[in-house]
Amino acid sequence: EAGVTQFPSHSVIEKGQTVTLRCDPISGHDNLYWYRRVMGKEIKFLLHFVKESKQDESGMPNNRFLAERTGGTYSTLKVQPAELEDSGVYFCASSQAVGDYQETQYFGPGTRLLVL
Amino acid sequence: LAKTTQPISMDSYEGQEVNITCSHNNIATNDYITWYQQFPSQGPRFIIQGYKTKVTNEVASLFIPADRKSSTLSLPRVSLSDTAVYYCLVGALGTGANNLFFGTGTRLTVIP
Repeated sequence: EAGVTQFPSHSVIEKGQTVTLRCDPISGHDNLYWYRRVMGKEIKFLLHFVKESKQDESGMPNNRFLAERTGGTYSTLKVQPAELEDSGVYFCASSQAVGDYQETQYFGPGTRLLVL
Repeated sequence: LAKTTQPISMDSYEGQEVNITCSHNNIATNDYITWYQQFPSQGPRFIIQGYKTKVTNEVASLFIPADRKSSTLSLPRVSLSDTAVYYCLVGALGTGANNLFFGTGTRLTVIP
């Protein structure tokens, strides 16, 4: 079974540019999460999709970040315009069931974003 | 929001048993305790999960006392490949990932 995949693995952009990160969850997983770790700090939650709907986006830092999950399959996270403080590692995770207290989140390898 | 406290780092020799304790004094009734492992340049990987008492799988054991205010991850006979960061998370999974607080994790270094 293929795991969670993320693209690109690395991205270097200039301040003010736009970057779009992609996450392909494990097939059949309804839940999709975005997390990030900036500047060597702790991994922080960004948002949670259940299928194509945003269940919780309380962790999104500001309106420069836009996440979508059209059709409930893969998800994209767009940063526009990117700022220096957006540099970090963006992780995606997926899990199988909603309301399952024993759900396990499977993480992708992350996208390393560097904003210059 | 149930936060966790773990030692920042630990060192161990190969072949030894390693126990990493996590404190979660504000754990709620519906919260599960989950441990993840993270290698450099990779995403966190699920190790083990429990609610109370003891859970064992092929990788580790998880000990949870009756009051559930702490938990201990036990790795038997560690090898060099177990060098990683270990995160203890507490949350009522399935109700929203914002309940998951990764914290700083414990950086385990296994020494030959």
